[in-house]
Amino acid sequence: GENVEQHPSTLSVQEGDSAVIKCTYSDSASNYFPWYKQELGKRPQLIIDIRSNVGEKKDQRIAVTLNKTAKHFSLHITETQPEDSAVYFCAASNGWGSGGGADGLTFGKGTHLIIQP
Amino acid sequence: DAGITQSPRHKVTETGTPVTLRCHQTENHRYMYWYRQDPGHGLRLIHYSYGVKDTDKGEVSDGYSVSRSKTEDFLLTLESATSSQTSVYFCAISEKGSNTEAFFGQGTRLTVV
Repeated sequence: GENVEQHPSTLSVQEGDSAVIKCTYSDSASNYFPWYKQELGKRPQLIIDIRSNVGEKKDQRIAVTLNKTAKHFSLHITETQPEDSAVYFCAASNGWGSGGGADGLTFGKGTHLIIQP
Repeated sequence: DAGITQSPRHKVTETGTPVTLRCHQTENHRYMYWYRQDPGHGLRLIHYSYGVKDTDKGEVSDGYSVSRSKTEDFLLTLESATSSQTSVYFCAISEKGSNTEAFFGQGTRLTVV
């Protein structure tokens, strides 16, 4: 099955600086790579995703890059703000695995992003 | 927020007792999932459903069963709760499968003593 590794586990940056979180995956058939943000005590919420036919996607201060050859993808947050403090999870899915598109996501273990004032 | 509700939100139960968690959605999404979240492990898939009465196992299914008799409800049952099943349980729904956005419920914090 799929295995997703996420680094670092904790990342502390100064407000206004950039933050980068990296993930690697093992299953070359994976084709969907979402990123979820989870604030303390809250549910995970999608912030950005990318599909395997795209190398980069950007949404305001957030961008995701994908390198299919190396099987890794990264989240980039620029001009970090206090409200960016949260746990971020990467995930991967082979949307057409044995479950016919239903197999669910394989998550990394999360990165606790701390924005220092 | 997507219409997805988990109940109960918190539960304390004793080892060996059966426990059922409920996930209810009002979005008419076909796909539903149960995950557990533990420190240092992220979110791990327990079971999923791709339609009424259509379910399958995920990564950590031992000790859990599920049922889906209606589109809107997905039940997770711990047949005989153990301390290792103390966790936060999240239900999620998606419209078109695992390669589309998943919407999560608020979570259920389960403590087995």
